[in-house]
Formats: sequence, C-alpha cells, structure tokens
Amino acid sequence: GAVVSQHPSWVICKSGTSVKIECRSLDFQATTMFWYRQFPKQSLMLMATSNEGSKATYEQGVEKDKFLINHASLTLSTLTVTSAHPEDSSFYICSASPAGGPSGELFFGEGSRLTVL
Amino acid sequence: QKEVEQDPGPLSVPEGAIVSLNCTYSNSAFQYFMWYRQYSRKGPELLMYTYSSGNKEDGRFTAQVDKSSKYISLFIRDSQPSDSATYLCAMSANTGNQFYFGTGTSLTVIP
Repeated sequence: GAVVSQHPSWVICKSGTSVKIECRSLDFQATTMFWYRQFPKQSLMLMATSNEGSKATYEQGVEKDKFLINHASLTLSTLTVTSAHPEDSSFYICSASPAGGPSGELFFGEGSRLTVL
Repeated sequence: QKEVEQDPGPLSVPEGAIVSLNCTYSNSAFQYFMWYRQYSRKGPELLMYTYSSGNKEDGRFTAQVDKSSKYISLFIRDSQPSDSATYLCAMSANTGNQFYFGTGTSLTVIP
C-alpha cells in the first residue's frame, strides 16, 4: 500500500516552545492531508483538513493559531504546535488520500508522540 | 446519532478463533469502506478497502459490506496473538474528502 511518513516519531519539549511535525506521502501525491489527535485508548479526533496551496480547515474547538498547518506541496504537510503546554501532550497522526485515486483510500502516518514538560 | 457506530469492546478470544468485528452507519451515501488495524502507539494500518456492497477476502481477513442494512463486518480467521490490536472501521461518500471513523474495537487474542 501507499506510504505516509511522519517525523519525528517522538519528541519531548519544554513548555513554551514550538514543535513542528512533518507528514510526507512518499509514493503518491496528496492534495488533501488530515491531522488527528489521539488520547490513550481513545479514537482519532480530527483536528484539521490540510489542502495543498490553501488554508487548512479546522474542526470546531481546535485553535488555528495554536496548531499551525502548512501544506506547501503535494507531498508534504506540517503541523506546528506553537507555545506548547503539557496539555498539548498527545499522539498526533496524519493521513493522506492519493490525488486522482478512489476517494475512499486513506493512508496514515506512523504517528508522532509529543510530550511537553 | 453518530455517523458510524462501532462497539469498543474489549473483545478477548482464544488463539485460532474466528473474530467478527462490525460497524453500522446511518449515511446511505457512503460508498467506500475501510478497516484499519492500530497497534498501541502506532498509526492505523489499512487492512481492507471495499467499494460498495459485497465481500472481499485477503488471506485470513474477509470484509463484508451490506449497504441495504448499512452494516459492515471484518472477519479474522485462525486468529493469532499478533492480531491483538484496535480495529477501526472507516467510510466515505462518493464526493468530497470527508472520512468517518468508528471508535475502534480493542481485540486481544489469547495464546
């Protein structure tokens, strides 16, 4: 299947710093990528839909100034957690749907675990 | 009513058992149906992808879609301890890029 890569897989940072997480589609182009947050033993929570070349669409309750999303190319989307605080500690996962493919195919990255001290 | 309903479990079965995982949905526009397996602290891995109604088999896994009942299933034959994971169902309609997920079912296969 198609491959979506996330980096870093695990990051620890101090409170108040910013952290950038990258999501890359390695063998396909993705006009749309999605960012999720997942708490232990809970399901995926969609944070935002990232569209190549345009502003991301955020879900209700997600602070767009806190979670900056950039989708500058068809293979890369980034999520920056700005001024991170301990409550931002979570598992962040991205997914991507191949451009031009069946609309039902969706592939996930390996996830990035953020720990804010 | 949620778009997709999935029993969270947990479900425990002995090794070798047949596992049945199910999701129901309310939106008749859904055409694409997926099952993902997620191990702890990993991203979901696409297991099965089905378009419209019917069955699809891949090794020990069989996906069934019954659009008339708005019901999808994933069967795992000869279950193994390595199948222990959370299984998520997901679906999308014919247009747009919105995907809807079940809450996931936690499965443990006991050796």
